Amino acid sequence: EAGVAQSPRYKIIEKRQSVAFWCNPISGHATLYWYQQILGQGPKLLIQFQNNGVVDDSQLPKDRFSAERLKGVDSTLKIQPAKLEDSAVYLCASRRFGTGSYGYTFGSGTRLTVV
Amino acid sequence: QKEVEQDPGPLSVPEGAIVSLNCTYSNSAFQYFMWYRQYSRKGPELLMYTYSSGNKEDGRFTAQVDKSSKYISLFIRDSQPSDSATYLCAMFYGGATNKLIFGTGTLLAVQP
Repeated sequence: EAGVAQSPRYKIIEKRQSVAFWCNPISGHATLYWYQQILGQGPKLLIQFQNNGVVDDSQLPKDRFSAERLKGVDSTLKIQPAKLEDSAVYLCASRRFGTGSYGYTFGSGTRLTVV
Repeated sequence: QKEVEQDPGPLSVPEGAIVSLNCTYSNSAFQYFMWYRQYSRKGPELLMYTYSSGNKEDGRFTAQVDKSSKYISLFIRDSQPSDSATYLCAMFYGGATNKLIFGTGTLLAVQP
């Protein structure tokens, strides 16, 4: 089966600019996650979708970050305006609803640099 | 205090060595424990997972969970240069969200 697709792979923007990331999960995976991984740290959950509904966005900085998952498939994560501390790798993961823990699959991520 | 603590390393070992990677955690409600391997510029890939306490073996890899001590380990036998990567422990409570809580990751380098 095809993996989780993310684009772009790399993005460099100036602070206060906006940026968007795209994720296409594995076909049939109802649950989709966006994680932020800052250099030298483990991934941190930003938002979780179940189909097109939000399950958990408690750690999403909602004043600048937004995410949507239209039709329960693809998802976009947006940052506006970006800050220097948003420099990180943004990872998308998907999981087939109802399977055990081994069901998580991560994409390769988008590496964002804010200058 | 972080929910999951992991020594960031780096850890450098010669080829063929036994590697021990460890994490501690603070919340006894965690039920599912995983180890992910992350190569440079790649996403994490699941290596091992364990439910509750006990051991699990898969080839050269053994995962151990000691819930009484809130301590999990990953052992790599006969380490190879291709094992050089960052190893992340992760865990979750179970239930509706199933969000993974990760450690900081340990960078491992296996020298040929």
